[in-house]
Amino acid sequence: KNEVEQSPQNLTAQEGEFITINCSYSVGISALHWLQQHPGGGIVSLFMLSSGKKKHGRLIATINIQEKHSSLHITASHPRDSAVYICAARPNFGNEKLTFGTGTRLTIIP
Amino acid sequence: DADVTQTPRNRITKTGKRIMLECSQTKGHDRMYWYRQDPGLGLRLIYYSFDVKDINKGEISDGYSVSRQAQAKFSLSLESAIPNQTALYFCATGGVGETYTGELFFGEGSRLTVL
Repeated sequence: KNEVEQSPQNLTAQEGEFITINCSYSVGISALHWLQQHPGGGIVSLFMLSSGKKKHGRLIATINIQEKHSSLHITASHPRDSAVYICAARPNFGNEKLTFGTGTRLTIIP
Repeated sequence: DADVTQTPRNRITKTGKRIMLECSQTKGHDRMYWYRQDPGLGLRLIYYSFDVKDINKGEISDGYSVSRQAQAKFSLSLESAIPNQTALYFCATGGVGETYTGELFFGEGSRLTVL
């Protein structure tokens, strides 16, 4: 069982819908990363957070340390948001060794 | 130009061949990483380096070796490739010294197929 679990694995939505992707982890962490992987394969870092909430444009990431849970929200979704979204937990110790989720494949239909 | 560049982007090779994947970065970062991505699995760390004299094994280093030729260059070698090393490989970099935040910057990936 992966120490980082994402849900859903796949998500298809209409353009304009509000999107939520969830990430649960079982280890103590110093930070939680959200990454975006486009169909061409490249990976871009979206957020790194250790508490509270961060916002960048239409993307919002939240984390609840007590519940070991993080969410990535996309407001007013657009087809260009179609990608795989990956969360990764940076542990408190040995923290070069991130544990990655398997990703959520998001498809936004025009 | 990309800040983290991987070459080759795609490679098909045969079992037993030696393969090198190269990574170069213009971000001035001291930390560099090699990850492997397989379908249905999360990225896994192969090797990481804090500088040219500091190289560390990750979770899945067996069958791989690395070389940090300079601060900007980190190469991954498969001495004798085998089919289960078929995967998408990513190089990543992170921060400088005390300004390191933990954020990672990834290359575009190198798709390796071992027949």
